[in-house]
Amino acid sequence: NAGVTQTPKFQVLKTGQSMTLQCAQDMNHEYMSWYRQDPGMGLRLIHYSVGAGITDQGEVPNGYNVSRSTTEDFPLRLLSAAPSQTSVYFCASSPMGGGTEAFFGQGTRLTVV
Amino acid sequence: DQQVKQNSPSLSVQEGRISILNCDYTNSMFDYFLWYKKYPAEGPTFLISISSIKDKNEDGRFTVFLNKSAKHLSLHIVPSQPGDSAVYFCAARKYGNKLVFGAGTILRVKS
Repeated sequence: NAGVTQTPKFQVLKTGQSMTLQCAQDMNHEYMSWYRQDPGMGLRLIHYSVGAGITDQGEVPNGYNVSRSTTEDFPLRLLSAAPSQTSVYFCASSPMGGGTEAFFGQGTRLTVV
Repeated sequence: DQQVKQNSPSLSVQEGRISILNCDYTNSMFDYFLWYKKYPAEGPTFLISISSIKDKNEDGRFTVFLNKSAKHLSLHIVPSQPGDSAVYFCAARKYGNKLVFGAGTILRVKS
């Protein structure tokens, strides 16, 4: 009963490095999204996808790329890490439609030095 | 432009008493409201939700109230238990599945 799985749980990057945060869900949910959580600011939407091959920007997309080649996977790429991207990242999935809550992964704590 | 606001960063209550967490929103197009609970080093977990066409939803110890005219919702936890100590996020759905979150309220239940 995995739900939403994120890897890695922790990561330290140097400024300018790139990396991919992985997210996989086994619930056959159409909708997947990435959030970042910063102190005092709640969770802010980075990118989202309504199905394989379809992605769109959220509230804070700059510096991040996503792709959705399968229903299960929704990786988040940091192209050139900056200290401002130090945050906790959460991936979430939900079925499309009304009234359904999102299921979240355990998060990835990223530090950019 | 914070569309969902939780103005109390923290709340402390005694075990057995009622906890009331508040949330205000500005966008009248929100059609669904949700509360999530988050423990340290874990992802948020869904707690309870309410449709914009209702004014109350109850699930065990948890009740959410919605006042559309005031653009205000609240989460009541009765009775509060030490295991309820966590960060509580209010979220609102605008369209599709996109959620807008508040900043969160840290609840501490003292035994």
